[in-house]
Amino acid sequence: GAVVSQHPSWVICKSGTSVKIECRSLDFQATTMFWYRQFPKQSLMLMATSNEGSKATYEQGVEKDKFLINHASLTLSTLTVTSAHPEDSSFYICSARDKGLAGVGEQFFGPGTRLTVL
Amino acid sequence: KQEVTQIPAALSVPEGENLVLNCSFTDSAIYNLQWFRQDPGKGLTSLLLIQSSQREQTSGRLNASLDKSSGRSTLYIAASQPGDSATYLCAVSGARSWGKFQFGAGTQVVVTP
Repeated sequence: GAVVSQHPSWVICKSGTSVKIECRSLDFQATTMFWYRQFPKQSLMLMATSNEGSKATYEQGVEKDKFLINHASLTLSTLTVTSAHPEDSSFYICSARDKGLAGVGEQFFGPGTRLTVL
Repeated sequence: KQEVTQIPAALSVPEGENLVLNCSFTDSAIYNLQWFRQDPGKGLTSLLLIQSSQREQTSGRLNASLDKSSGRSTLYIAASQPGDSATYLCAVSGARSWGKFQFGAGTQVVVTP
């Protein structure tokens, strides 16, 4: 089946530093990847849509200079949280849409990355 | 804006009982609806995907129905097991925002032995 990985699975950093999270589709090509954020006991909130070879599209209220997204290849998208602060602590999950199944619209989700900013 | 609601927020049943989880959405112009399972601290596992043209999908003990006109989907899990304990999320992709999922808050399920 379609597998999406994320790295790292968890990260702790100091306030003011930047953190990069990778999302990879392991056995399929993904022209589109999505980044979500989940607070404890809450559901997922879409942050941005990442398209290979073009700029990401951010949802309303999401700071694009704060959350930098790069989708450099058909199997890799990265999310960089710049100048992280404690309020950025959250569970970040990516998903990918299989290029070959684009008409189906099914998304495959990664295992998530837990970010803790001290 | 599409709003997705899941009722109940939490559910506890004894092993062997059937589970019925509800998902409602406000905009019936959807592209598809997907049900997921999330274990504590983990990512999402896809359970069933229903296209807007379909009425239901089945996989093993799971059956999901879709009634677009009334803005509802129901996930049935037959003969529940303790391993079914998890949070179940439904997500709706709008016809005008294909690929962007709007998630419900989830139903937390506990199946007691």
